[in-house]
Amino acid sequence: DAGITQSPRYKITETGRQVTLMCHQTWSHSYMFWYRQDLGHGLRLIYYSAAADITDKGEVPDGYVVSRSKTENFPLTLESATRSQTSVYFCASSDRVGSYEQYFGPGTRLTVT
Amino acid sequence: QQQVKQSPQSLIVQKGGIPIINCAYENTAFDYFPWYQQFPGKGPALLIAIRPDVSEKKEGRFTISFNKSAKQFSLHIMDSQPGDSATYFCAASHPPFNKFYFGSGTKLNVKP
Repeated sequence: DAGITQSPRYKITETGRQVTLMCHQTWSHSYMFWYRQDLGHGLRLIYYSAAADITDKGEVPDGYVVSRSKTENFPLTLESATRSQTSVYFCASSDRVGSYEQYFGPGTRLTVT
Repeated sequence: QQQVKQSPQSLIVQKGGIPIINCAYENTAFDYFPWYQQFPGKGPALLIAIRPDVSEKKEGRFTISFNKSAKQFSLHIMDSQPGDSATYFCAASHPPFNKFYFGSGTKLNVKP
């Protein structure tokens, strides 16, 4: 049972480049989320998805794009990376019914130089 | 504007002590209040959660106290152990999409 995985785990990119962070979950959860974690800010929601082909903005969506063509995948793309997007990115998923619990992936540490 | 405010930012206690972490919120539509524990290099993991119709919930050594009228909730760790050293996040959410609003985190260090 793989659960929720993220790739790559570490990424260094240059300012202006496009980079895509991948998230895959094996539970068929309806909801998926992308957060960024920065010191002093906790986790802030970037985008979320309630189902395949349904996405919406969170607290800090600027500079990011998401898609969800399949229930199990939720990639996050930085179209033109900036240094302010250096962060640790977490993907999470939760089921539609029952507990609100969100299950988090191991994170991707992204450095933009 | 931060929806959930968490304090303190860091906390040091001796083994066996009872660290207390506090959170406050404004949005009365919130109906689920979880606490997440995060170890270095790992993703956050659910520790314990409470709904606003309950004033206290215990799971093992972890207790949430909830004060609906004050819009505050707190995490107490009884008989703390060095293995409890981690960063703790409170959060709040409301339907329909269960979006979480996280506090800024508390780094706990339990000294042997």
